[in-house]
Amino acid sequence: AQKVTQAQTEISVVEKEDVTLDCVYETRDTTYYLFWYKQPPSGELVFLIRRNSFDEQNEISGRYSWNFQKSTSSFNFTITASQVVDSAVYFCALMPTAGNKLTFGGGTRVLVKP
Amino acid sequence: DAGITQSPRHKVTETGTPVTLRCHQTENHRYMYWYRQDPGHGLRLIHYSYGVKDTDKGEVSDGYSVSRSKTEDFLLTLESATSSQTSVYFCAISAFRDNNEQFFGPGTRLTVL
Repeated sequence: AQKVTQAQTEISVVEKEDVTLDCVYETRDTTYYLFWYKQPPSGELVFLIRRNSFDEQNEISGRYSWNFQKSTSSFNFTITASQVVDSAVYFCALMPTAGNKLTFGGGTRVLVKP
Repeated sequence: DAGITQSPRHKVTETGTPVTLRCHQTENHRYMYWYRQDPGHGLRLIHYSYGVKDTDKGEVSDGYSVSRSKTEDFLLTLESATSSQTSVYFCAISAFRDNNEQFFGPGTRLTVL
């Protein structure tokens, strides 16, 4: 069975502060994919990143960065210099390499105040 | 943006009535999915389809049925709606089964009174 835990239900920061979202997962699969999705107040789900379990290199995309540590089963997401537009619910998700069933965490709501 | 629409976008119904939600895609993707989103649970898979007339159950399939008679349409039916089925329902599509990100529709907010 797969499980994804996002222990932080809500984080509030002031604009320009950095914010890190934690994601811890459990799986018996030896290979898998990890995802992050963003859900802004408008409600749609926006794909942010997919990471293969073989690749433990950190990834940076603009103000977003991801830290994957297989040893601790974590795939954390950092927003640098947060902006009001970053206010959203962020979901971490897990998928086995062979298969298409996504298991989502409960989500973390990020509120960026001006 | 992936071409996915859902209808209706909002619906209020009464307990015991049948409800059908529609997902329509213009991407010609083979795989389609129905999820429900509830506070604290993230999204949970209800059913998915891997081709016309080919469907399978997900994690929370009880009380739901699906049909896919055309590549572009995937229907989710609540035969007799219950208050526990009040939720936001998302449709998703993917081009391949394995190793593939899923793209989501705008969601349908369903309230069962």
